Amino acid sequence: EDKVVQSPLSLVVHEGDTVTLNCSYEVTNFRSLLWYKQEKKAPTFLFMLTSSGIEKKSGRLSSILDKKELFSILNITATQTGDSAIYLCAVEASGTYKYIFGTGTRLKVLA
Amino acid sequence: KAGVTQTPRYLIKTRGQQVTLSCSPISGHRSVSWYQQTPGQGLQFLFEYFSETQRNKGNFPGRFSGRQFSNSRSEMNVSTLELGDSALYLCASRMDLGGETQYFGPGTRLLVL
Repeated sequence: EDKVVQSPLSLVVHEGDTVTLNCSYEVTNFRSLLWYKQEKKAPTFLFMLTSSGIEKKSGRLSSILDKKELFSILNITATQTGDSAIYLCAVEASGTYKYIFGTGTRLKVLA
Repeated sequence: KAGVTQTPRYLIKTRGQQVTLSCSPISGHRSVSWYQQTPGQGLQFLFEYFSETQRNKGNFPGRFSGRQFSNSRSEMNVSTLELGDSALYLCASRMDLGGETQYFGPGTRLLVL
């Protein structure tokens, strides 16, 4: 059965720290991996990754995919309280085109 | 470009009733997916519609159903509501199937009493 596992489940850090969130997957015929940030309501899109080894960056956030080892990481440098959220990882399988979500990592950044 | 919109935003129902939720995708998007999110279970996939056809279905009972109209708007129906159906229902749209980014609406928070 296809599955996506995120770790850690929750994390508490102080402002200025750097965090690394993990997403591993077992999906038949991987097509793409997405990262989302969810604060109060709707998840907002961060990155889409399809190729191994190519880092995507947006400000203090970056992400990379390893298709051989079947995982992705999301890095946040110089964390701010506004980074406090649930970070979701989703993987799309070719064929079904269905996105499978992990349970998320709850990040809390303390001032 | 307007984002994904969902109505209503909040809803309170009692057990045994039925409910219909609506989702309007981003203009030009032909795929609409529905998810249920609860604190204990995370984001659970309900179904996906593309060009008025259900393309994928999650592991939910038959009380959960949906449809998509020719303008890509979608509705989700839950019949015979149970307390456990209380959740945030999220709709997401994407332009096409396969390799396309999925964008979420604000959600409908359903409370079943």
